[in-house]
Amino acid sequence: AQKVTQAQTEISVVEKEDVTLDCVYETRDTTYYLFWYKQPPSGELVFLIRRNSFDEQNEISGRYSWNFQKSTSSFNFTITASQVVDSAVYFCALSEARSYNTDKLIFGTGTRLQVFP
Amino acid sequence: ETGVTQTPRHLVMGMTNKKSLKCEQHLGHNAMYWYKQSAKKPLELMFVYSLEERVENNSVPSRFSPECPNSSHLFLHLHTLQPEDSALYLCASSQERQIVNEKLFFGSGTQLSVL
Repeated sequence: AQKVTQAQTEISVVEKEDVTLDCVYETRDTTYYLFWYKQPPSGELVFLIRRNSFDEQNEISGRYSWNFQKSTSSFNFTITASQVVDSAVYFCALSEARSYNTDKLIFGTGTRLQVFP
Repeated sequence: ETGVTQTPRHLVMGMTNKKSLKCEQHLGHNAMYWYKQSAKKPLELMFVYSLEERVENNSVPSRFSPECPNSSHLFLHLHTLQPEDSALYLCASSQERQIVNEKLFFGSGTQLSVL
């Protein structure tokens, strides 16, 4: 069965601290995609990154970096030198390539990050 | 201006009321979605429309009735709701229905409270 687990419900840090948000997924497919979305207080989810299961290279985008490890079924997200504007709920999501299931983007329960000045 | 606009932002309704949520996308996408976001639960996909045709209904109760008059507009008609239906209802769109490798664009949601 497909499942996404974000065990951290809420994380609080002080500005400039580094913080890692964990994501563990379950799937039987060999082809799948993983996503991270950010939901700021305004409500709309904003796409951050998409990775396919065949690309295990870690990715860095400014202060954001992602560590994809198939061996542990994890796709963790690190924010370096956090800022108050990073405060949001972050969702990890999984999409499998099976044709009958392509409408289902499976989300985790989200991690609320609060960055204090 | 966001590409996906939802109205109203907040809605309070009684269990016997009838109301509608509206979503409009300005991105030229062909697929639109309704999601339900409840506290401490994963986002739940409710309905999927592709080129104005409903292609998915995830066992949603009939008190929720979607409508897609054209590829830019999506409605969710509500009637005789229950208090447990209180949640944030998010609309999303994507270029095509197949979202295996496509990203979704979300609206800001309608925060619904059922009294």
